[in-house]
Amino acid sequence: EMQLVQSGTEMKKPGESLEISCQGFGYKFSDYWIGWVRQMPGKGLEWMGSMYAGDSNPRYGPPFQDQVTISVDKSISTAYLQWSSLQASDTAIYYCVRHGGVYYAFDLWGQGTMVTVSS
Amino acid sequence: SFVITQPPSVSVAPGQTATITCGENNIGANTAHWYQQRPGQAPLLVVYDDGDRPSGIPDRFSGSNSGGTATLTISRVEAGDEGDYYCQIWDSDTDLVLFGGGTKQTVL
Repeated sequence: EMQLVQSGTEMKKPGESLEISCQGFGYKFSDYWIGWVRQMPGKGLEWMGSMYAGDSNPRYGPPFQDQVTISVDKSISTAYLQWSSLQASDTAIYYCVRHGGVYYAFDLWGQGTMVTVSS
Repeated sequence: SFVITQPPSVSVAPGQTATITCGENNIGANTAHWYQQRPGQAPLLVVYDDGDRPSGIPDRFSGSNSGGTATLTISRVEAGDEGDYYCQIWDSDTDLVLFGGGTKQTVL
């Protein structure tokens, strides 16, 4: 069965760093793009960025450029989303998604990782 | 870039047809995809490339794209169709992925 399995719930303080992960199963990870989508409490979906899992060139949505880092370790079929200094406004559910290219649909979604940032 | 417009909410009785629009004539030639998000769940792709259905999605779900507006149509609506629906495009002008604001569908 094809699936994306994300790391668990995180509770952090402002200023702390964080890395969450997303591991792909049941398909050739390096043949697809992997992206991240943010959903703030009670709000809609926002595309943060994506990269082709076979290389190392992420592209970011403008609000997220220089705010987060997307990376991939294709040897273990895992993608990462990193923050160097969290803010309260980063509180959200983060979904990883698989797609065939930038104009392709997100055909596989992870279960979501809830990140809460509070002092 | 531009903001993709969706109606905030639609209400439909069971057995009737729901239509949700995306773009209000401004998505141009961009291809639209649609996602269903039931409460407390991750989104699920229900229509891709304007009108194709992934495996496992009932044929009650259909899509079209004409004149710069994409439309998701849900026929014979069931209680389980309640949730939020989002359209998504790749904006070819900016090379960015954009989501619509989402439409909350209530089944009366």
